Amino acid sequence: DTGVSQNPRHKITKRGQNVTFRCDPISEHNRLYWYRQTLGQGPEFLTYFQNEAQLEKSRLLSDRFSAERPKGSFSTLEIQRTEQGDSAMYLCASSLGGGGVTRYTFGSGTRLTVV
Amino acid sequence: DAKTTQPPSMDCAEGRAANLPCNHSTISGNEYVYWYRQIHSQGPQYIIHGLKNNETNEMASLIITEDRKSSTLILPHATLRDTAVYYCIVRGLISSGSARQLTFGSGTQLTVLP
Repeated sequence: DTGVSQNPRHKITKRGQNVTFRCDPISEHNRLYWYRQTLGQGPEFLTYFQNEAQLEKSRLLSDRFSAERPKGSFSTLEIQRTEQGDSAMYLCASSLGGGGVTRYTFGSGTRLTVV
Repeated sequence: DAKTTQPPSMDCAEGRAANLPCNHSTISGNEYVYWYRQIHSQGPQYIIHGLKNNETNEMASLIITEDRKSSTLILPHATLRDTAVYYCIVRGLISSGSARQLTFGSGTQLTVLP
């Protein structure tokens, strides 16, 4: 079990540029979640995949955000035309679904700074 | 999912027990209490969960009151590495196909002092 891996760990970008983050979940986990966390706040849910299907998106996920999980393995989160308000930690989590009590494993996150 | 209330911050002396309270007065019968913690610059880490009985694992103990309206996370011998934000989350069982993501509050910043 190598845990949830996120790359890059840090990203600095200029306003208006596009950025893409990658998440590699625990291999047998079929559920994958993206969260965003700003300074001093708890993580906020963005979107959820079960296998390759994106089943839920929060209202925080504006049209500039898109997430994919091709083949139900790794996932990418892309932000187009970044704004300073997008500066945050982006966290990925995975779990083994199927019902019942669920434990989530989080990655260490990608810290985005938009300048 | 029921709302939780936690103190924003607590201090604890190294080697002493850290007792972190959580109020969840609107919890319903099938909702579990989960605790996660987040060490600076890392993702949240699962600690423990419980329904109504007290639970203990290698990391901590969870004490849930008989009426289930509050709980306490106990770190029996706190170390400097336990300094983190601790989140108490209440959530029901997930059903196959539903997202049932965790909803985080602001948590309690625990500082373990040397």
